[in-house]
Amino acid sequence: AQSVTQLDSQVPVFEEAPVELRCNYSSSVSVYLFWYVQYPNQGLQLLLKYLSGSTLVKGINGFEAEFNKSQTSFHLRKPSVHISDTAEYFCAVSLSGTYKYIFGTGTRLKVLA
Amino acid sequence: EAGVTQSPTHLIKTRGQQATLRCSPISGHTSVYWYQQALGLGLQFLLWYDEGEERNRGNFPPRFSGRQFPNYSSELNVNALELEDSALYLCASSLDSMNTEAFFGQGTRLTVV
Repeated sequence: AQSVTQLDSQVPVFEEAPVELRCNYSSSVSVYLFWYVQYPNQGLQLLLKYLSGSTLVKGINGFEAEFNKSQTSFHLRKPSVHISDTAEYFCAVSLSGTYKYIFGTGTRLKVLA
Repeated sequence: EAGVTQSPTHLIKTRGQQATLRCSPISGHTSVYWYQQALGLGLQFLLWYDEGEERNRGNFPPRFSGRQFPNYSSELNVNALELEDSALYLCASSLDSMNTEAFFGQGTRLTVV
């Protein structure tokens, strides 16, 4: 069975500082990896995805993530955060070829002025 | 282009009643997914419909059911509502069953009192 672990439930960070949101997954088969963002009272928006190829994936709003197969991780990073990045971030996996997403429990990013 | 739309935005029901939630996918999308986002439980996969058929189901009791119509819109029905069913229900759609990106709606917040 597949699982996703987001190690931090909340991450406070000051504006313009870098941030890393951690995600580890468990799967015995190939998976696709995703990061979604959820702003208050809204649905989920795709930030970026890893399907294959280059392990460094760049997404929207200046976010990027690196797929590390040996450590089964897919950490999300941004070099300089803005107040508007305050939101909940979800890491998700889906089995290659199927689209039943398995989500982590989310990390609430709070950017402080 | 309109995104995934869900109705109603909010729904209040009493225990034991039935709730019906609706989802219209992005035009041209044939796959629809339903997720439950309950407080403290993260996002849980409920149902996946593609081309009018149920393709996969999460670990939910049979009183959670749904269907997909010929125009690919979908309905989620929850019978015999329990207090624990209070949650944000998110619908997502993808171009087809082989597509890797799901687009989410804003959700329906169901409150059971």
